[in-house]
Amino acid sequence: AQKVTQAQTEISVVEKEDVTLDCVYETRDTTYYLFWYKQPPSGELVFLIRRNSFDEQNEISGRYSWNFQKSTSSFNFTITASQVVDSAVYFCALISSGSARQLTFGSGTQLTVLP
Amino acid sequence: DADVTQTPRNRITKTGKRIMLECSQTKGHDRMYWYRQDPGLGLRLIYYSFDVKDINKGEISDGYSVSRQAQAKFSLSLESAIPNQTALYFCATRDRGDTEAFFGQGTRLTVV
Repeated sequence: AQKVTQAQTEISVVEKEDVTLDCVYETRDTTYYLFWYKQPPSGELVFLIRRNSFDEQNEISGRYSWNFQKSTSSFNFTITASQVVDSAVYFCALISSGSARQLTFGSGTQLTVLP
Repeated sequence: DADVTQTPRNRITKTGKRIMLECSQTKGHDRMYWYRQDPGLGLRLIYYSFDVKDINKGEISDGYSVSRQAQAKFSLSLESAIPNQTALYFCATRDRGDTEAFFGQGTRLTVV
Protein backbone atom coordinates (compact mmCIF):
# COMPACT_ATOMS: atom_id res chain seq x y z
CA ALA A 1 0.00 0.00 0.00
CA GLN A 2 1.10 3.54 -0.53
CA LYS A 3 0.30 6.62 1.45
CA VAL A 4 0.90 10.37 1.34
CA THR A 5 0.72 12.52 4.44
CA GLN A 6 0.41 16.27 4.48
CA ALA A 7 0.33 17.08 8.15
CA GLN A 8 -0.26 20.80 7.68
CA THR A 9 -3.96 21.32 7.13
CA GLU A 10 -3.81 25.10 6.92
CA ILE A 11 -1.02 27.64 6.78
CA SER A 12 -1.30 31.42 6.81
CA VAL A 13 1.58 33.73 5.96
CA VAL A 14 1.97 37.37 5.18
CA GLU A 15 2.93 38.34 1.68
CA LYS A 16 6.67 38.13 0.91
CA GLU A 17 7.28 35.52 3.58
CA ASP A 18 8.75 32.17 2.61
CA VAL A 19 6.63 29.10 3.30
CA THR A 20 7.34 25.37 3.17
CA LEU A 21 4.66 22.76 2.62
CA ASP A 22 5.54 19.33 3.95
CA CYS A 23 4.89 16.00 2.26
CA VAL A 24 5.81 12.58 3.63
CA TYR A 25 5.16 9.45 1.62
CA GLU A 26 5.15 5.71 2.14
CA THR A 27 5.75 3.05 -0.47
CA ARG A 28 7.47 -0.33 -0.61
CA ASP A 29 8.54 0.16 -4.20
CA THR A 30 11.92 1.43 -5.25
CA THR A 31 10.55 3.06 -8.38
CA TYR A 32 7.99 5.76 -7.83
CA TYR A 33 7.00 9.27 -8.85
CA LEU A 34 6.04 12.20 -6.69
CA PHE A 35 3.92 15.15 -7.72
CA TRP A 36 2.68 18.47 -6.49
CA TYR A 37 -0.60 19.96 -7.69
CA LYS A 38 -2.10 23.36 -6.96
CA GLN A 39 -5.83 23.93 -6.62
CA PRO A 40 -6.68 27.64 -6.70
CA PRO A 41 -10.07 28.90 -5.49
CA SER A 42 -11.48 28.35 -8.98
CA GLY A 43 -11.20 24.61 -8.31
CA GLU A 44 -9.11 23.21 -11.14
CA LEU A 45 -6.03 21.10 -10.46
CA VAL A 46 -2.81 22.53 -11.81
CA PHE A 47 0.21 20.29 -12.20
CA LEU A 48 3.38 21.79 -10.71
CA ILE A 49 6.11 19.16 -10.72
CA ARG A 50 6.91 15.47 -11.14
CA ARG A 51 9.97 13.83 -9.62
CA ASN A 52 11.07 10.21 -9.98
CA SER A 53 12.61 8.22 -7.17
CA PHE A 54 16.02 8.05 -8.81
CA ASP A 55 16.47 11.77 -9.07
CA GLU A 56 17.14 13.38 -5.73
CA GLN A 57 18.32 16.68 -7.10
CA ASN A 58 16.42 19.59 -5.74
CA GLU A 59 14.60 21.68 -8.26
CA ILE A 60 13.92 25.37 -8.49
CA SER A 61 11.41 27.05 -10.75
CA GLY A 62 11.16 30.75 -10.15
CA ARG A 63 9.85 31.25 -6.62
CA TYR A 64 9.09 27.55 -6.26
CA SER A 65 11.56 24.95 -5.06
CA TRP A 66 11.29 21.31 -4.11
CA ASN A 67 13.41 19.32 -1.69
CA PHE A 68 13.31 15.56 -2.23
CA GLN A 69 14.93 13.43 0.49
CA LYS A 70 14.60 9.67 0.18
CA SER A 71 16.22 9.16 3.56
CA THR A 72 13.24 10.79 5.26
CA SER A 73 10.66 9.93 2.55
CA SER A 74 9.86 13.58 2.14
CA PHE A 75 9.17 15.82 -0.83
CA ASN A 76 8.73 19.32 0.53
CA PHE A 77 7.67 22.37 -1.43
CA THR A 78 8.89 25.88 -0.67
CA ILE A 79 7.47 29.12 -2.00
CA THR A 80 9.85 32.04 -1.67
CA ALA A 81 8.53 35.57 -1.29
CA SER A 82 4.93 34.41 -1.28
CA GLN A 83 2.24 36.35 -3.07
CA VAL A 84 -1.50 36.59 -2.59
CA VAL A 85 -1.98 34.65 -5.85
CA ASP A 86 -0.23 31.70 -4.23
CA SER A 87 -3.26 31.21 -2.01
CA ALA A 88 -4.60 27.77 -2.88
CA VAL A 89 -4.82 24.19 -1.72
CA TYR A 90 -1.67 22.26 -2.53
CA PHE A 91 -1.66 18.50 -2.95
CA CYS A 92 1.24 16.11 -2.88
CA ALA A 93 0.72 12.81 -4.72
CA LEU A 94 2.48 9.51 -5.39
CA ILE A 95 2.50 6.77 -8.00
CA SER A 96 4.67 3.73 -7.38
CA SER A 97 5.62 1.03 -9.85
CA GLY A 98 3.92 -1.71 -7.87
CA SER A 99 0.74 0.31 -7.59
CA ALA A 100 1.22 2.16 -10.83
CA ARG A 101 -2.49 2.09 -11.44
CA GLN A 102 -3.25 4.61 -8.72
CA LEU A 103 -2.25 8.18 -8.16
CA THR A 104 -2.57 8.57 -4.39
CA PHE A 105 -3.08 12.04 -2.98
CA GLY A 106 -2.40 13.58 0.37
CA SER A 107 -5.19 15.44 2.11
CA GLY A 108 -3.88 18.80 0.96
CA THR A 109 -2.62 21.98 2.62
CA GLN A 110 -4.65 25.17 2.42
CA LEU A 111 -2.22 28.05 2.02
CA THR A 112 -3.49 31.56 2.62
CA VAL A 113 -1.21 34.46 1.81
CA LEU A 114 -2.35 37.67 3.43
CA PRO A 115 -1.61 41.05 1.89
CA ASP B 1 -10.99 23.46 -25.77
CA ALA B 2 -9.85 21.62 -22.69
CA ASP B 3 -8.04 18.31 -23.11
CA VAL B 4 -10.23 16.69 -20.46
CA THR B 5 -13.83 17.85 -20.36
CA GLN B 6 -16.36 17.08 -17.67
CA THR B 7 -20.08 17.62 -17.94
CA PRO B 8 -21.98 18.96 -16.16
CA ARG B 9 -19.83 21.43 -14.21
CA ASN B 10 -22.43 21.83 -11.50
CA ARG B 11 -25.43 19.72 -10.61
CA ILE B 12 -27.99 19.67 -7.85
CA THR B 13 -30.04 16.51 -7.57
CA LYS B 14 -32.45 14.93 -5.13
CA THR B 15 -31.85 11.92 -2.95
CA GLY B 16 -32.67 8.71 -4.76
CA LYS B 17 -32.22 10.08 -8.26
CA ARG B 18 -29.91 8.51 -10.80
CA ILE B 19 -27.26 10.80 -12.16
CA MET B 20 -24.44 10.44 -14.65
CA LEU B 21 -21.27 12.49 -14.82
CA GLU B 22 -19.47 12.41 -18.13
CA CYS B 23 -15.84 12.77 -19.03
CA SER B 24 -14.24 12.98 -22.44
CA GLN B 25 -10.62 13.49 -23.40
CA THR B 26 -8.73 14.43 -26.52
CA LYS B 27 -5.28 13.40 -25.30
CA GLY B 28 -5.47 9.86 -26.64
CA HIS B 29 -4.61 8.40 -23.24
CA ASP B 30 -5.48 4.84 -22.35
CA ARG B 31 -5.97 5.38 -18.64
CA MET B 32 -8.89 7.25 -17.15
CA TYR B 33 -9.85 7.85 -13.53
CA TRP B 34 -12.65 9.20 -11.40
CA TYR B 35 -11.86 10.88 -8.08
CA ARG B 36 -13.96 12.65 -5.51
CA GLN B 37 -12.73 15.48 -3.35
CA ASP B 38 -14.05 16.20 0.11
CA PRO B 39 -12.73 18.93 2.41
CA GLY B 40 -9.80 17.66 4.47
CA LEU B 41 -9.67 14.31 2.70
CA GLY B 42 -7.87 15.13 -0.50
CA LEU B 43 -8.80 13.25 -3.65
CA ARG B 44 -9.93 9.66 -3.31
CA LEU B 45 -10.08 7.22 -6.18
CA ILE B 46 -13.51 5.86 -7.11
CA TYR B 47 -12.84 3.87 -10.31
CA TYR B 48 -10.18 3.62 -12.93
CA SER B 49 -9.92 2.11 -16.39
CA PHE B 50 -6.87 1.07 -18.39
CA ASP B 51 -8.82 0.53 -21.58
CA VAL B 52 -12.36 -0.08 -22.74
CA LYS B 53 -12.39 -3.63 -21.37
CA ASP B 54 -10.42 -3.02 -18.21
CA ILE B 55 -12.30 -1.34 -15.36
CA ASN B 56 -11.26 -1.47 -11.74
CA LYS B 57 -12.63 -0.37 -8.41
CA GLY B 58 -10.74 2.21 -6.45
CA GLU B 59 -10.73 3.07 -2.79
CA ILE B 60 -14.37 4.19 -2.51
CA SER B 61 -16.42 2.53 -5.26
CA ASP B 62 -19.54 1.67 -3.24
CA GLY B 63 -22.59 3.51 -4.55
CA TYR B 64 -20.95 4.26 -7.89
CA SER B 65 -20.65 2.58 -11.26
CA VAL B 66 -18.75 3.48 -14.40
CA SER B 67 -18.84 2.91 -18.13
CA ARG B 68 -15.97 3.22 -20.57
CA GLN B 69 -17.87 3.75 -23.78
CA ALA B 70 -14.78 4.44 -25.85
CA GLN B 71 -11.15 5.20 -25.29
CA ALA B 72 -12.04 8.87 -25.00
CA LYS B 73 -15.11 8.60 -22.79
CA PHE B 74 -15.50 7.50 -19.19
CA SER B 75 -18.79 8.05 -17.34
CA LEU B 76 -19.52 7.86 -13.63
CA SER B 77 -23.02 7.00 -12.43
CA LEU B 78 -24.71 7.32 -9.10
CA GLU B 79 -27.61 4.87 -9.30
CA SER B 80 -29.42 6.28 -6.29
CA ALA B 81 -27.81 9.46 -5.06
CA ILE B 82 -27.49 10.12 -1.35
CA PRO B 83 -26.48 13.34 0.47
CA ASN B 84 -23.05 12.07 1.50
CA GLN B 85 -22.16 11.82 -2.18
CA THR B 86 -22.15 15.59 -2.27
CA ALA B 87 -18.61 16.40 -3.37
CA LEU B 88 -16.38 17.74 -6.10
CA TYR B 89 -15.71 15.05 -8.71
CA PHE B 90 -12.70 14.95 -10.97
CA CYS B 91 -11.96 12.93 -14.04
CA ALA B 92 -8.31 12.38 -14.97
CA THR B 93 -6.35 10.76 -17.75
CA ARG B 94 -2.86 9.38 -17.89
CA ASP B 95 -0.72 8.00 -20.67
CA ARG B 96 0.74 4.52 -20.42
CA GLY B 97 4.34 5.66 -20.40
CA ASP B 98 3.94 9.08 -18.83
CA THR B 99 2.82 9.15 -15.25
CA GLU B 100 1.59 12.73 -15.13
CA ALA B 101 -2.20 12.91 -14.75
CA PHE B 102 -4.32 15.50 -16.52
CA PHE B 103 -7.50 16.57 -14.80
CA GLY B 104 -10.83 17.88 -15.94
CA GLN B 105 -12.28 21.06 -14.49
CA GLY B 106 -14.32 19.16 -11.93
CA THR B 107 -18.04 18.61 -11.38
CA ARG B 108 -19.59 20.01 -8.24
CA LEU B 109 -22.42 17.68 -7.25
CA THR B 110 -24.93 18.46 -4.51
CA VAL B 111 -27.42 15.85 -3.37
CA VAL B 112 -30.30 17.30 -1.39
